[in-house]
Amino acid sequence: DAKTTQPPSMDCAEGRAANLPCNHSTISGNEYVYWYRQIHSQGPQYIIHGLKNNETNEMASLIITEDRKSSTLILPHATLRDTAVYYCIVRVPGPNYGGSQGNLIFGKGTKLSVKP
Amino acid sequence: NAGVTQTPKFRVLKTGQSMTLLCAQDMNHEYMYWYRQDPGMGLRLIHYSVGEGTTAKGEVPDGYNVSRLKKQNFLLGLESAAPSQTSVYFCASTGLAGGYGELFFGEGSRLTVL
Repeated sequence: DAKTTQPPSMDCAEGRAANLPCNHSTISGNEYVYWYRQIHSQGPQYIIHGLKNNETNEMASLIITEDRKSSTLILPHATLRDTAVYYCIVRVPGPNYGGSQGNLIFGKGTKLSVKP
Repeated sequence: NAGVTQTPKFRVLKTGQSMTLLCAQDMNHEYMYWYRQDPGMGLRLIHYSVGEGTTAKGEVPDGYNVSRLKKQNFLLGLESAAPSQTSVYFCASTGLAGGYGELFFGEGSRLTVL
């Protein structure tokens, strides 16, 4: 599984769009981009995933560059409850997170602080 | 709509004591995982299971044992707790049928070893 690079922290004003970048320059052709978030002291929560097309769901939008070397998670109208650590992960889709790749899955992420 | 449930949510142990954390999922998932999370760090995989009766080591397995006797349950055991095992433990599961392997997490179990 490819590694990702995310800024350690970001701030966003409440009601504005939060744009969280992720670099994954070594992504392979069959690897997807996944985003999770972890609100303080809670278990991580799945947000969205994509391969190469832009994706949108009720929580967020995912924009993947044409060369697939980077992506941006967009929270269109950030609220205080969106304050969390956001993890960008690239991996071949499927249920197996084990083996030698398990330790590559969840890095330190980006701590997003939404401010009033 | 329980999803993944962990018990207990909090526990304080003395060095050398033993305990078991229980993870239960009601989504009929084949894969289950135990992670630990320490301050300022991401999640690290301890052990995992790809199906009932199977277990495998993750990144940081030392000092822990696991069992998957029933498909819906994944137990994490500490035989002789050490202060270095003070952490927040998360269980997760995912399934083979449909989806792209999204992980579903429990709310965490906070363990303190004195």
